[in-house]
Amino acid sequence: QKEVEQNSGPLSVPEGAIASLNCTYSDRGSQSFFWYRQYSGKSPELIMFIYSNGDKEDGRFTAQLNKASQYVSLLIRDSQPSDSATYLCAVSRTTDSWGKLQFGAGTQVVVTP
Amino acid sequence: DVKVTQSSRYLVKRTGEKVFLECVQDMDHENMFWYRQDPGLGLRLIYFSYDVKMKEKGDIPEGYSVSREKKERFSLILESASTNQTSMYLCASRDTGGDDSEQYFGPGTRLTVT
Repeated sequence: QKEVEQNSGPLSVPEGAIASLNCTYSDRGSQSFFWYRQYSGKSPELIMFIYSNGDKEDGRFTAQLNKASQYVSLLIRDSQPSDSATYLCAVSRTTDSWGKLQFGAGTQVVVTP
Repeated sequence: DVKVTQSSRYLVKRTGEKVFLECVQDMDHENMFWYRQDPGLGLRLIYFSYDVKMKEKGDIPEGYSVSREKKERFSLILESASTNQTSMYLCASRDTGGDDSEQYFGPGTRLTVT
């Protein structure tokens, strides 16, 4: 079983719709959770992080965390073609304090005009 | 503006060659990381450094070594390149802040071993 699991996609979303991305993790002690966006041929860039249960909003992005269910999600509202990318879920490791992350394989999102 | 640079964007090497990948950051970060990224497998940590001359193995260190002689520079070494090391290599750096400190990534080096 992978430590951080994401649906690989592609997730096809009409322009203007909501894209919903899911991520589950196995380390119950993980405290911090990150969403990175990676355009094709580019390196990952941070969209947002969350560490408390509930929702966290930043512009068109909302991260949702449920530690009891070991589940973190990302919602992209009013999806735009520029949102077409692979989204990586990353989870902190509880075995150290150096900020090492465990990454999922990513979900490819395709926003269609 | 934060910046992480890597020595090459594309590299082609032959089996058995010794390969050096270099990463430089200008943010005075203590922590630096080397990952490889393969389709369907995501980013996997090869090695990590938390200070000059200090290093820790990541999840897949076999066949690799690292060097950090200066704070801003973290080198990944493939002692004897093999075809299964063909991959995208990404370097990242991070400040020692809280758990929410962001990892900043370099542009990546696509290595092909023939």
